[in-house]
Amino acid sequence: KQEVTQIPAALSVPEGENLVLNCSFTDSAIYNLQWFRQDPGKGLTSLLLIQSSQREQTSGRLNASLDKSSGRSTLYIAASQPGDSATYLCAVSEADDMRFGAGTRLTVKP
Amino acid sequence: DTEVTQTPKHLVMGMTNKKSLKCEQHMGHRAMYWYKQKAKKPPELMFVYSYEKLSINESVPSRFSPECPNSSLLNLHLHALQPEDSALYLCASSRPGQDSNQPQHFGDGTRLSIL
Repeated sequence: KQEVTQIPAALSVPEGENLVLNCSFTDSAIYNLQWFRQDPGKGLTSLLLIQSSQREQTSGRLNASLDKSSGRSTLYIAASQPGDSATYLCAVSEADDMRFGAGTRLTVKP
Repeated sequence: DTEVTQTPKHLVMGMTNKKSLKCEQHMGHRAMYWYKQKAKKPPELMFVYSYEKLSINESVPSRFSPECPNSSLLNLHLHALQPEDSALYLCASSRPGQDSNQPQHFGDGTRLSIL
């Protein structure tokens, strides 16, 4: 059964810092990997999707990488802002099934 | 605003009530999902519908009954729930799994409280 792990569980940084969130998964037979953002009490917003054949995706200040053979992904956030404060979840898809990590709760202090 | 609309946003019900959660999308997606999320935990998959047919049921108790009346709508019928069923219920949609470059789109969820 696929297991997805995210570290750290929580992260607090001053505004302007670059940071990296980590995600690992146990079964490399995935269709894709997605990074989501979740604000308290809200649904999930998709940030980036990396197909299994891709190595990375970029959107603005966000860059996600995927190393399927080692079962790892990272989400890099450049020049962090207080508005980036949220919980970041990674999820791996196997056909119609999606498994989530427990998330990293990010706080960016002004 | 999300492209997946869930109603109601909040629901409080007693253990003997019958209620339904609704989800609607007009993106032409043919896969729709129900997830349950407890506080400070990741979403857990409950059901998957693909082309309006139930394709995955993750051993969910029968007091939760999903229904997909057409390609745009997904319902979750609730009956005789327990206090531990209180959670955020999220709906999502996507193209079916073989289209690997399409993300799942989530609604804002229904916050369910069982008294």
